[in-house]
Amino acid sequence: AQTVTQSQPEMSVQEAETVTLSCTYDTSESNYYLFWYKQPPSRQMILVIRQEAYKQQNATENRFSVNFQKAAKSFSLKISDSQLGDTAMYFCAFMNLMYSGGGADGLTFGKGTHLIIQP
Amino acid sequence: AAGVIQSPRHLIKEKRETATLKCYPIPRHDTVYWYQQGPGQDPQFLISFYEKMQSDKGSIPDRFSAQQFSDYHSELNMSSLELGDSALYFCASSLEGGGTEAFFGQGTRLTVV
Repeated sequence: AQTVTQSQPEMSVQEAETVTLSCTYDTSESNYYLFWYKQPPSRQMILVIRQEAYKQQNATENRFSVNFQKAAKSFSLKISDSQLGDTAMYFCAFMNLMYSGGGADGLTFGKGTHLIIQP
Repeated sequence: AAGVIQSPRHLIKEKRETATLKCYPIPRHDTVYWYQQGPGQDPQFLISFYEKMQSDKGSIPDRFSAQQFSDYHSELNMSSLELGDSALYFCASSLEGGGTEAFFGQGTRLTVV
């Protein structure tokens, strides 16, 4: 079974600063996906960014980017030019790639990091 | 754009009662996932379905059962409810199984009293 560890229960930064959220995972699988989800006070789960393990290039989505270190089993999220609307709980998540063309393994989530953006 | 629809949004049940949660995936999505998120907790995977067949099973209690119907909607049936079942229950859907983006519904908040 895989585990996901987020070692920062809470972080607080000033608006416009850059912040990095840490995530490490443990798995014996070689093919998998990693995700960062955002959960604002509304409790809606919103996908922020996704990384396929077979891709060496780090994923980026506008102000969000990841630092994926497969050998170290590390998957950190960097938020640039942070905004008040980024205040939320951030969950790192892992999914096995069961097999191509179908099948659906569930996500394993970390405990989350509560990110607070101060004005 | 259509999103994942969950009903009801809120549900209050007494101990030992039964509850049924419904999930309507995004049109053409063939995969449904159920998650349980307790207060202050991370979501826990319960069960998933792909093309109307159970695909993966997580920490779903034996008191719970689920299925995916021919129109791809899914229902989570919960019996002999306990106080500890009080949680936010999320349904998510995706196209062609794992790895593609899973879109989450807004959740059903179940309170057991």
